Amino acid sequence: ELKVEQNPLFLSMQEGKNYTIYCNYSTTSDRLYWYRQDPGKSLESLFVLLSNGAVKQEGRLMASLDTKARLSTLHITAAVHDLSATYFCAVADNTDKLIFGTGTRLQVFP
Amino acid sequence: GAVVSQHPSWVICKSGTSVKIECRSLDFQATTMFWYRQFPKQSLMLMATSNEGSKATYEQGVEKDKFLINHASLTLSTLTVTSAHPEDSSFYICSAEGTSAREQYFGPGTRLTVT
Repeated sequence: ELKVEQNPLFLSMQEGKNYTIYCNYSTTSDRLYWYRQDPGKSLESLFVLLSNGAVKQEGRLMASLDTKARLSTLHITAAVHDLSATYFCAVADNTDKLIFGTGTRLQVFP
Repeated sequence: GAVVSQHPSWVICKSGTSVKIECRSLDFQATTMFWYRQFPKQSLMLMATSNEGSKATYEQGVEKDKFLINHASLTLSTLTVTSAHPEDSSFYICSAEGTSAREQYFGPGTRLTVT
């Protein structure tokens, strides 16, 4: 059974700082997703990572995938308040179902 | 493109009544749709996979007689919460699978409160 773990669960960071969110998963998968969720809202797709070594960047966010280590990272560069949200990774299992991580609640303060 | 809508966006109902939530893919056809439930400050949990023209596949621990799913067309799936109880209060999110099956497009969610 595929299990997905995220850490940290909660992250409070100062504007301008860098930090990384980690997503580990337990069995082989060919797809990993990162989503953002604002309070009371649904999911916003950030990245789809399909192959080992894949790296994608959008603004201050960069996601990477290491399928051998079963690890993905979401790196935040020079955080700004607008990035405050909950971030989820999700991994596709062999039946195309998405298994979600626990989520990382990010708060960026001045 | 790839827009998924849900209706209603929020609903309050009394204990013991039934509530129907609609999920529509607006600009594409989706043979597969998924229903998730999210409790406050928790992650999304898959409830069931809905396939057009066939019975839904429920995840372990989800009562199929309580959460009725109908996927009658390639653009519409419905989730009916029957005999709702306060513990069914949650945020229900649907997603629709695109043609490549590598992307799920999420609806805006429906907040259900059972009093």
